[in-house]
Amino acid sequence: GAVVSQHPSWVICKSGTSVKIECRSLDFQATTMFWYRQFPKQSLMLMATSNEGSKATYEQGVEKDKFLINHASLTLSTLTVTSAHPEDSSFYICSASPYNEQFFGPGTRLTVL
Amino acid sequence: GENVEQHPSTLSVQEGDSAVIKCTYSDSASNYFPWYKQELGKRPQLIIDIRSNVGEKKDQRIAVTLNKTAKHFSLHITETQPEDSAVYFCAARGAGGSGNTGKLIFGQGTTLQVKP
Repeated sequence: GAVVSQHPSWVICKSGTSVKIECRSLDFQATTMFWYRQFPKQSLMLMATSNEGSKATYEQGVEKDKFLINHASLTLSTLTVTSAHPEDSSFYICSASPYNEQFFGPGTRLTVL
Repeated sequence: GENVEQHPSTLSVQEGDSAVIKCTYSDSASNYFPWYKQELGKRPQLIIDIRSNVGEKKDQRIAVTLNKTAKHFSLHITETQPEDSAVYFCAARGAGGSGNTGKLIFGQGTTLQVKP
C-alpha cells in the first residue's frame, strides 16, 4: 500500500508558541490531503482538506487563522498550530489517497503546556 | 453534510463469538464505506471497505454489509480472537469530493473487547 509519513511523531511546546506538523506522501503524489484531530477516547474529527496549490477547505468550527495549512507540493502538506494553548493538545493525523483507499500518517501527539 | 452514527460504543464478547458493529449515514450520495481498526496511539488501519454498488464483502473472518435503501452498513467479525480487541471506526465518503479524493466522515467508534 501507499505510505504517508508525519513529522514530528510527538511535540511538547509552551502555551503561546506555534508548532508545525508535516505530512508527506512518500510513494505517490497527492493533490489532496486531509487533516484530522483526535482527542483521547474520541473519534477522528476532520479539520480541513488540504489542496495542492490552493487554499485549504476548513470544516465548520475550525479556525483557519489558528490552524494554518500549506500544501505547496504534491507530496507535502503542513499544518501549523498557531498560538497553541493546552486545549489544542491532541493527536493530529493526516491522510492521503492515491486511489480509493485513504492512507493515514502515523500521527503527531501534541502536548501544550 | 454527511453524518455517521455508530453503535454500540463498547462491545464485549467471549473469544470465538461473533461481533457486530452497525453504522448509519445521512448522505444518500455517499459511495464508499471503509472500516478501520485503531490500536492505542496508532494510526487507523483499514480492515475492509465496501463501495455503494456492492451489498456485501467478505475477507476471511471479517465481512461488511451495506443497505443503501436504509443507509446503514455493518461490520461482522466471526470467531473473534483476543488480538481483535481494539477500537473500530466506520466511515463514509461523502459526495462532496470528486473521484477518490472525497473526505471521510467517521463514526464515533466502538471499543471491542474479546475475552479469552
